[in-house]
Amino acid sequence: GEDVEQSLFLSVREGDSSVINCTYTDSSSTYLYWYKQEPGAGLQLLTYIFSNMDMKQDQRLTVLLNKKDKHLSLRIADTQTGDSAIYFCAESTSGTYKYIFGTGTRLKVLA
Amino acid sequence: DTGVSQNPRHKITKRGQNVTFRCDPISEHNRLYWYRQTLGQGPEFLTYFQNEAQLEKSRLLSDRFSAERPKGSFSTLEIQRTEQGDSAMYLCASRSLAETQYFGPGTRLLVL
Repeated sequence: GEDVEQSLFLSVREGDSSVINCTYTDSSSTYLYWYKQEPGAGLQLLTYIFSNMDMKQDQRLTVLLNKKDKHLSLRIADTQTGDSAIYFCAESTSGTYKYIFGTGTRLKVLA
Repeated sequence: DTGVSQNPRHKITKRGQNVTFRCDPISEHNRLYWYRQTLGQGPEFLTYFQNEAQLEKSRLLSDRFSAERPKGSFSTLEIQRTEQGDSAMYLCASRSLAETQYFGPGTRLLVL
C-alpha cells in the first residue's frame, strides 16, 4: 500500500537552513504537500508541488522533488524560532480522495 | 474568520458514552474530509464527502463511527460506545475542486 516516511527529528540553529526529507512509495502520486502543525493546532498548508515539477520556490521555502527516487524535500532558509513545529509530508493521486500523510518531522530551532 | 471550524475543541468522556463532533467547512468547499491523529503520528484518513454524499470510508471507521453531511454543508462525526483507543485528535478538512485541503483546528477527544 501507499506509505510516506519522514525522519522524526531535526534540530537547527536560528538563521541556518533546515532541510526536511520525505520518501513515498506510490509512483502514481500526483500532488505532494508540506503541512506545518504547531502544538494543539490543526495542519497549515505550506506549499505543494505537482509531480511533473522538479522544484518550487515560495519565499523562504524551496521544495525539491526527485520523482525517480520518490524523494521530496523542504528547505527553509534563514530558519526562525517561529518555524519550530511538526512538518508533515503528504501525497495524493488524481482521481482518488485520500491524502496519505507521513509521521511528521519535529523541527526544533535553537536560538 | 472564513476558515474551517470544529466544535467542541476538547471533549472528555467516559468509556461507553457516545460523542458527536461538528465540522463547518469553508463555505464554497464541496469536499469534506475527516481524519484521526494520534500522538506522534500523521493524520489518518477516515472518510470523505462530496457535497452530501459519503464517497469513501476507511477500514479504520468501525461500525461505532458514523459521519453525516446532510445538506452538503456542515458535517458531524459520531462515535458510539467510546473506547479508550478512540482517544485522539479528530481533524476535519475541506476543499473545492481546484484547491488543496484546508484543515480545521481539530477536536481532541480523551476517553477515560
